[in-house]
Formats: sequence, C-alpha cells, structure tokens
Amino acid sequence: QLQLQESGPGLVKPSETLSLTCTVSGGSISSSSYYWGWIRQPPGKGLEWIGSIYYSGSTYYNPSLKSRVTISVDTSKNQFSLKLSSVTAADTAVYYCARLDPPPNLRFDYWGQGTLVTVSS
Amino acid sequence: QSALTQPRSVSGSPGQSVTISCTGTSSDVGGYNYVSWYQQHPGKAPKLMIYDVSKRPSGVPDRFSGSKSGNTASLTISGLQAEDEADYYCCSYAGSYTLGVFGGGTKLTVL
Repeated sequence: QLQLQESGPGLVKPSETLSLTCTVSGGSISSSSYYWGWIRQPPGKGLEWIGSIYYSGSTYYNPSLKSRVTISVDTSKNQFSLKLSSVTAADTAVYYCARLDPPPNLRFDYWGQGTLVTVSS
Repeated sequence: QSALTQPRSVSGSPGQSVTISCTGTSSDVGGYNYVSWYQQHPGKAPKLMIYDVSKRPSGVPDRFSGSKSGNTASLTISGLQAEDEADYYCCSYAGSYTLGVFGGGTKLTVL
C-alpha cells in the first residue's frame, strides 16, 4: 500500500523559506506512470494546487506561486521536496503531498496526512 | 487562475439525493474531460471520489456519480448516509500552463 508522509518545520518566520519533504513508501517515486505534487489548505479554506514534479525533474507550478516555489526530487531517497520563499502569514496552511496521474488527467489518488505550517515571528 | 465555483453548502436527509455543482470556463471544466472530485472529512486528507468526470476509483460506492454539461461539472450523491457529511472539492485540468485548479469547496450536511 502506497504511503506518503510530509515532514518539516511547523513554524517559519515571515520572509524566510518554508521547506517540506514528502517521503514515499510502498512504491517507487521513479515510476514512469505518475507525477508527485504539493497542495495546500489555509485554515478553514479550500485546496490550492502548488505544483507537481516527475521523477525526471520535469515540473509544473501554479502560476500565482511560481516565482517563489521550487519542487525537487531525490529518487535515491524516494522523496520529493517543496521550498516556498519569502513567506508571509498568508502562506499559513496545511500542506499535503500527493501522487497524481500525468497531465492532463490530474487524478490525485494517494495523499499524505498533511502537515500544518504556521508563518509567524 | 480563478478557483472553480461551488456552492458553499448543500444539505439533504438520509436516503435522499444531492447534487453539487462546479462551474468553470471553457479554459478548464468546459474544455477538457478531466474533472475530479474529492471528499474531505474534518482533520483528514482529501479522498478521491470521481475522476475523468464520471469514473469511480475502486472502493468508492456507486452512490457517487459525476457528470458534466458545458462549463459545469456535477457530483451527485444518492441514498445519502450520515458518513457522507463532509466537504467536497472539484478539480479540473486547466491547460499546459496553469495545469490544475480546485473549486472553493462545498460543505454537505446530512440532516
């Protein structure tokens, strides 16, 4: 059974860089059949797609976040990571990692449990 | 990139049917047959319920069905059960640059 687990600091200061890692177990991140993505959900609000990556390193980013987002993959550790720079309070959210079908399907079929990241001084 | 439009809330009694709409544009919902729906219970991760407009993943009850007409996709839940009470989100492919966009979410209350 595929499992995804987010990890990283739960508190980040304004203007700093948020860094999260998603560890995949029960399957290979190098599968040619899937992309891997990050989605966030501010408290009490809806879901927002952040971006996605293929094991080869090919990426797609939400245009509204593109200037601040970097997603990378480490196939040797079966992990992929998110970096979001220059954070503000508006970036406070539960961050989820997920597996998805390659575009254009965008079927998010496995999700991590999510991790709350608070931006505060 | 604007979020897809969903009603804030819908409700129904056990055994009844409810439909949740998801309205976009010809650049997303109307332009592609790649709409998915997710169920989210409080404090939990979203769960895939429908993909490719109307396909159900293994294990999802056939009480859940999806459809699309023009720029609006719909999720219908028939034979409502108490455990269906949750938030529901739609998601659509929106082209090679934007890629994906979610709806604002709909809270389903089972009366």
